[in-house]
Amino acid sequence: DTAVSQTPKYLVTQMGNDKSIKCEQNLGHDTMYWYKQDSKKFLKIMFSYNNKELIINETVPNRFSPKSPDKAHLNLHINSLELGDSAVYFCASSQGGAGYTFGSGTRLTVV
Amino acid sequence: ELKVEQNPLFLSMQEGKNYTIYCNYSTTSDRLYWYRQDPGKSLESLFVLLSNGAVKQEGRLMASLDTKARLSTLHITAAVHDLSATYFCAGNSNYQLIWGAGTKLIIKP
Repeated sequence: DTAVSQTPKYLVTQMGNDKSIKCEQNLGHDTMYWYKQDSKKFLKIMFSYNNKELIINETVPNRFSPKSPDKAHLNLHINSLELGDSAVYFCASSQGGAGYTFGSGTRLTVV
Repeated sequence: ELKVEQNPLFLSMQEGKNYTIYCNYSTTSDRLYWYRQDPGKSLESLFVLLSNGAVKQEGRLMASLDTKARLSTLHITAAVHDLSATYFCAGNSNYQLIWGAGTKLIIKP
């Protein structure tokens, strides 16, 4: 199946821990994104990579670090997790703005 | 800076009725997107509108774009329960999507 797949789907962890979320797309898209959706369903861009290069780096704590080993993968590493990091994180990809395909989301709960 | 406003933010309606969700945006956006999100699920692309006067239809949903008025609409015809979801519009600015706050649509039998 052609898709954007992200893992894990659920992540429950304690404050202070470091965790990673992985994302892969097999659509051949050249741009990948990380979005955060808060409890009020508001969507906010965090990062965007085009052909492995960072093109959008919104104001997020530097505890969040994206890594793109190739244009099909964009991982998100989070250090020293805080309660306020609890949210749903979506990976997405696009090609030429034709439409964005979203992954199924990772629900992160920090306790 | 592009800003996108949707209204209403919440809509409860009866099956069989028609209604429209409005999406206003503040500055030029070369395209306008509509997405659907079911509770606990991902975002599903519905429409991408590229030019003034564009109209696209899929089933009971029809989206249109008026770039002069900076307005897009999502019209629901003869609503059915399966259309209950949150609907988002988004504009395009500086290689990123700028999202509206979403319209939570509940359709009652």
